[in-house]
Amino acid sequence: GAGVSQTPSNKVTEKGKYVELRCDPISGHTALYWYRQSLGQGPEFLIYFQGTGAADDSGLPNDRFFAVRPEGSVSTLKIQRTERGDSAVYLCASSWTPNSPLHFGNGTRLTVT
Amino acid sequence: ELKVEQNPLFLSMQEGKNYTIYCNYSTTSDRLYWYRQDPGKSLESLFVLLSNGAVKQEGRLMASLDTKARLSTLHITAAVHDLSATYFCAVDSAGGTSYGKLTFGQGTILTVHP
Repeated sequence: GAGVSQTPSNKVTEKGKYVELRCDPISGHTALYWYRQSLGQGPEFLIYFQGTGAADDSGLPNDRFFAVRPEGSVSTLKIQRTERGDSAVYLCASSWTPNSPLHFGNGTRLTVT
Repeated sequence: ELKVEQNPLFLSMQEGKNYTIYCNYSTTSDRLYWYRQDPGKSLESLFVLLSNGAVKQEGRLMASLDTKARLSTLHITAAVHDLSATYFCAVDSAGGTSYGKLTFGQGTILTVHP
């Protein structure tokens, strides 16, 4: 079946603008994760959803970042008042259960100018 | 704070040669992962290592885990060009409740040339 789908694949925005990044997990996967990968680095954990609730949001860098998963499937990562330092690839991953292997999407490359 | 360090960060290999990538981590963890990432692509899961002494092999790649030394290795045998990619190790950092909160190493960029 289809893998984890992320849209858009690329997003260019101006400093100070608001952006939304979307993740469609694999159907039936209850756990969903957002990671951020800066150039030349490994991914960094942002937030974990189990069902509709954010079970661990300890990786969100500040209160400009927020994520939702209202129906326990699709998730949206929202970034307010974007800064140039937010430029990175934002990866979404999902898994059948919390301790099953993660399946990553292709990411959204965010560029803040 | 859990730290994961890989070395080397850059590896240029000749086809047919063997080499090992090392992954050290700073605190106790129940599971360790190896991922592959091709340029512009997402991460592909290679191995999950769940216990001390675990060894897994797939083709020319073999991964092992020593939880006492907090060390994992990814051994490449008789490298071929198709193995060129960035390899990441990642350690489960969720503590007692296991879920996909991973701490990744910096990645090892592997280039295999003729």
